[in-house]
Amino acid sequence: IAGITQAPTSQILAAGRRMTLRCTQDMRHNAMYWYRQDLGLGLRLIHYSNTAGTTGKGEVPDGYSVSRANTDDFPLTLASAVPSQTSVYFCASSDSREGPGELFFGEGSRLTVL
Amino acid sequence: GQNIDQPTEMTATEGAIVQINCTYQTSGFNGLFWYQQHAGEAPTFLSYNVLDGLEEKGRFSSFLSRSKGYSYLLLKELQMKDSASYLCAPLDSNYQLIWGAGTKLIIKP
Repeated sequence: IAGITQAPTSQILAAGRRMTLRCTQDMRHNAMYWYRQDLGLGLRLIHYSNTAGTTGKGEVPDGYSVSRANTDDFPLTLASAVPSQTSVYFCASSDSREGPGELFFGEGSRLTVL
Repeated sequence: GQNIDQPTEMTATEGAIVQINCTYQTSGFNGLFWYQQHAGEAPTFLSYNVLDGLEEKGRFSSFLSRSKGYSYLLLKELQMKDSASYLCAPLDSNYQLIWGAGTKLIIKP
C-alpha cells in the first residue's frame, strides 16, 4: 500500500531555478493539499484541490502554482525559486467532501534554495 | 485573527501520564484535530473532536470544550516511542485547518 508518494525526498536548488515537486496518491481521494512546514511555525497551506480539475489558493500561495489534471496527481511548481522557499513540503490527501477530514500525508520533500 | 496556543516543549517520564493543552481562537469552528509527528517524518492522525467531552482511543484521549476554546490530548502509560511533536489543528468556519506550531514531547526513561 503506497498511499501518497512525494518526489524528490530532498533537493538543493539554486535561486532562480524552476522546480516541480511531485505528489501521487493511490487512494482515490478527492481532495489534495500542499503544505510547507518551517521550524517554529505550524503547517501552512500553499494550495489545495477539492476535486480533479479545480484548485484553490491557501494561506501562502505566492511563488507557487499547482495543477490537478486527474485524481491521483497534484504537482507543485516553484517558477523561480527564492531562498525563503527553503522548507519541508508535505503533500496530503483527504476523502472528506466537506473540508479536510483525516489527512494522509506524504513523507515530505526537503527543499533548500541557495 | 486566528490563533493557536500550545506549549513548545514538554518532558515526561516513561510509564507516566502527560496532558498537552491547546487553546484556540478561530473564525467559526467545525471540530479539532490532533496529529502526531515524529522527527523527520510526516504527521499522522490521532483524533478528531467536534462535540464537547472526552474521546478515548487506547492510551490516547482527547478532550474538547468549545465554549472555552480549549482542547487537550492525554497520553497514558507513556512509552519511549511517544517522543514526538503533537499538533493541534482546529477547523474554522470555511473548513480550513488552522495548525498550531506543535508541542515537542520528550520522554525520559
